[in-house]
Amino acid sequence: DAGVIQSPRHEVTEMGQEVTLRCKPISGHNSLFWYRQTMMRGLELLIYFNNNVPIDDSGMPEDRFSAKMPNASFSTLKIQPSEPRDSAVYFCATHRGANPNQPQHFGDGTRLSIL
Amino acid sequence: GESVGLHLPTLSVQEGDNSIINCAYSNSASDYFIWYKQESGKGPQFIIDIRSNMDKRQGQRVTVLLNKTVKHLSLQIAATQPGDSAVYFCAENQGFNKFYFGSGTKLNVKP
Repeated sequence: DAGVIQSPRHEVTEMGQEVTLRCKPISGHNSLFWYRQTMMRGLELLIYFNNNVPIDDSGMPEDRFSAKMPNASFSTLKIQPSEPRDSAVYFCATHRGANPNQPQHFGDGTRLSIL
Repeated sequence: GESVGLHLPTLSVQEGDNSIINCAYSNSASDYFIWYKQESGKGPQFIIDIRSNMDKRQGQRVTVLLNKTVKHLSLQIAATQPGDSAVYFCAENQGFNKFYFGSGTKLNVKP
């Protein structure tokens, strides 16, 4: 089975540009999470969806960040405008159902560098 | 790799020895815990989990111990191999799918 697929794997762009990160969950997994990993703060939950509906976006840093899940097989995390402090590795993770007491399956992340 | 902290605690062990990685968690109400392994350039990978109604769980070469009294979790790896070299994170479910991840421990296995 294919795991969680994220694209692009690497993104380098100049500050002020719009950045869109993409995630394809494992088929049948209807809970999807976006995380950010930095040296200073470790892994932080940004937002999570269940059945394509955003359930908790309290971790989204500010209005420049937005996330969508238009269908069960695709989600995007958008940063507009991007800033150097947004540089991090962004992970998407998924699991089946809404029961929180189960492992999340992570993609290999998008390494984002904002110059 | 660049995805982890500059000042990660590091555990160095000889190949074949047992490793013990420790984690202190913060919320006494957390009822589910996971250990993840993260290799450079990859996402965290599930190793083993444990619910709060247990104090020990064993997998293949790995054992997780949970001490709720002192809010402490440990991961034991038997007969550590070079392929075990990675950063290890514990994660606690603080409720409503909100997992808090520890800062990680880097395991370095010397051949």
